[in-house]
Amino acid sequence: QQQVKQSPQSLIVQKGGISIINCAYENTAFDYFPWYQQFPGKGPALLIAIRPDVSEKKEGRFTISFNKSAKQFSLHIMDSQPGDSATYFCAASTPQKLVFGQGTRLTINP
Amino acid sequence: EAGVAQSPRYKIIEKRQSVAFWCNPISGHATLYWYQQILGQGPKLLIQFQNNGVVDDSQLPKDRFSAERLKGVDSTLKIQPAKLEDSAVYLCASSLPGANVLTFGAGSRLTVL
Repeated sequence: QQQVKQSPQSLIVQKGGISIINCAYENTAFDYFPWYQQFPGKGPALLIAIRPDVSEKKEGRFTISFNKSAKQFSLHIMDSQPGDSATYFCAASTPQKLVFGQGTRLTINP
Repeated sequence: EAGVAQSPRYKIIEKRQSVAFWCNPISGHATLYWYQQILGQGPKLLIQFQNNGVVDDSQLPKDRFSAERLKGVDSTLKIQPAKLEDSAVYLCASSLPGANVLTFGAGSRLTVL
């Protein structure tokens, strides 16, 4: 129940394309859903986050879509750039615990 | 604002040896976390401190892992004796109490031979 399932494991997108990463959860007690971005040799850094009372949140080229009834959420990266190449982790949290998905290695080809 | 500091960045040891990692969180962040990130996987919480008290250590292998946070600031994570499967990056993170946003350090990469 504490798991967050993330797919795909790896993703290759052409520059300018749309990158989409999906996550699903089981525990309805989760009330905060962040996405973290991790570059090699660095720790994860918060990219964007959403609460379940909204269905979408957009920040620049990054958008989270949230489907509460399906218990799924996804990250969309519009106009993907080579600098977006990184590992992306979805996560879900209660006030007590933050659980990460398995990660998606995104490569943007120039 | 200074980030979360961790050291050492890299450590290579033989199995059955011991190792310690140090973390200095962001000033004012009362909550401190240690995560284990095995290659190709998401970070897994090992232990969470609120000031110098343990909030959650349910996934800490207590027979070989220990952690302390004296004076509610710096923290040390120790592994003794190390096993091959402990090879991972050990990430320290901190946050304000009750906040959902964690700030991570760069991590300490452990290789056990």
